[in-house]
Amino acid sequence: TQLLEQSPQFLSIQEGENLTVYCNSSSVFSSLQWYRQEPGEGPVLLVTVVTGGEVKKLKRLTFQFGDARKDSSLHITAAQPGDTGLYLCAGYLNDMRFGAGTRLTVKP
Amino acid sequence: SQTIHQWPATLVQPVGSPLSLECTVEGTSNPNLYWYRQAAGRGLQLLFYSVGIGQISSEVPQNLSASRPQDRQFILSSKKLLLSDSGFYLCAWSVRANQPQHFGDGTRLSIL
Repeated sequence: TQLLEQSPQFLSIQEGENLTVYCNSSSVFSSLQWYRQEPGEGPVLLVTVVTGGEVKKLKRLTFQFGDARKDSSLHITAAQPGDTGLYLCAGYLNDMRFGAGTRLTVKP
Repeated sequence: SQTIHQWPATLVQPVGSPLSLECTVEGTSNPNLYWYRQAAGRGLQLLFYSVGIGQISSEVPQNLSASRPQDRQFILSSKKLLLSDSGFYLCAWSVRANQPQHFGDGTRLSIL
């Protein structure tokens, strides 16, 4: 069982649509990170959220940390083909734990 | 600024051959270093991590070993590769264990 559960596992949408992906846990984290990974490359850090209820925006991407610091969401507005990739969340407990990821495909 | 270099980018090896993957970090001192394996574009499996020269912790029993001969150098090795060692190997560094990790571009290892 994953400590961080990400949903959905796969998501395929058309360009211009909005989407939300989730990262959930029963554990409380001091912070959570989101990464995007493109095929054949390493994950790239997008954001770190540290305060319960915190919302961070990165252009069309909005990240929210749950009030209880057990979950996080990533919302993408008007998705573009360049958003295609594997989105991973990670959080530190006794060591850094990664979710299994959401594979997003945005079709032109 | 800090950078992480990982090589080679791709490697094809026969079963039973040795392995050496190298990772170096520039622009920081005494980083935490990590080796991960990723199967089929999914989640990351932590193989080894190191908090200092000569200090290696292994997360899972396996056919692989790791070494840290210098502060910013991390090496993943095997004496005899198995078919099951195929995968995408990623090296990462962080300032501290609870801080975000920064990844190299990975090595695609295929065992024939």
